[in-house]
Amino acid sequence: GQSLEQPSEVTAVEGAIVQINCTYQTSGFYGLSWYQQHDGGAPTFLSYNGLDGLEETGRFSSFLSRSDSYGYLLLQELQMKDSASYFCAVSNQAGTALIFGKGTTLSVSS
Amino acid sequence: DADVTQTPRNRITKTGKRIMLECSQTKGHDRMYWYRQDPGLGLRLIYYSFDVKDINKGEISDGYSVSRQAQAKFSLSLESAIPNQTALYFCATSDRTSGGDEQFFGPGTRLTVL
Repeated sequence: GQSLEQPSEVTAVEGAIVQINCTYQTSGFYGLSWYQQHDGGAPTFLSYNGLDGLEETGRFSSFLSRSDSYGYLLLQELQMKDSASYFCAVSNQAGTALIFGKGTTLSVSS
Repeated sequence: DADVTQTPRNRITKTGKRIMLECSQTKGHDRMYWYRQDPGLGLRLIYYSFDVKDINKGEISDGYSVSRQAQAKFSLSLESAIPNQTALYFCATSDRTSGGDEQFFGPGTRLTVL
């Protein structure tokens, strides 16, 4: 089976940096993805890590350690619009079905 | 125009009724997925299809069926709806040549079973 663990809630203030961790247990592993979902909206893709290390896309970065079955999403220079739910997801083969974590609700205050 | 569309966007039905949720895409992707989302449970995979002749069960397929009528269309059916199928349903697509795990989601269908 497969399972993912991530914190249920995180709070931060504008301009701060926040890290959302994700640990996973899978029968096979291909990559770790991150998705953002605003309240009432559709999930949107943020990043993907297939190899160990850090991937950076603007204010967002994502990290993967395959040996530790662990990854994180790092959000810098937080803005109010970053308030949303963030989901980690794993696949066991490229472009196949994803298994999602239960999501982390990020609240950014001024 | 949206690349992935879902109809209806909202639906209220009664226990025991048959209901179909439809998904269409103009992205030209070969892979399509159906998920349901419940508060606090994240997204759970119901069914997925890698091409027109390929259908696969996901984590929670019981009580659901699907049809891949064409590359661009993937429908989800509830043969006899029950209240615990009340949820937000998302369709998604992906491209097998993309090399990663990016999926593109439709706007969702909010289903209420009374």
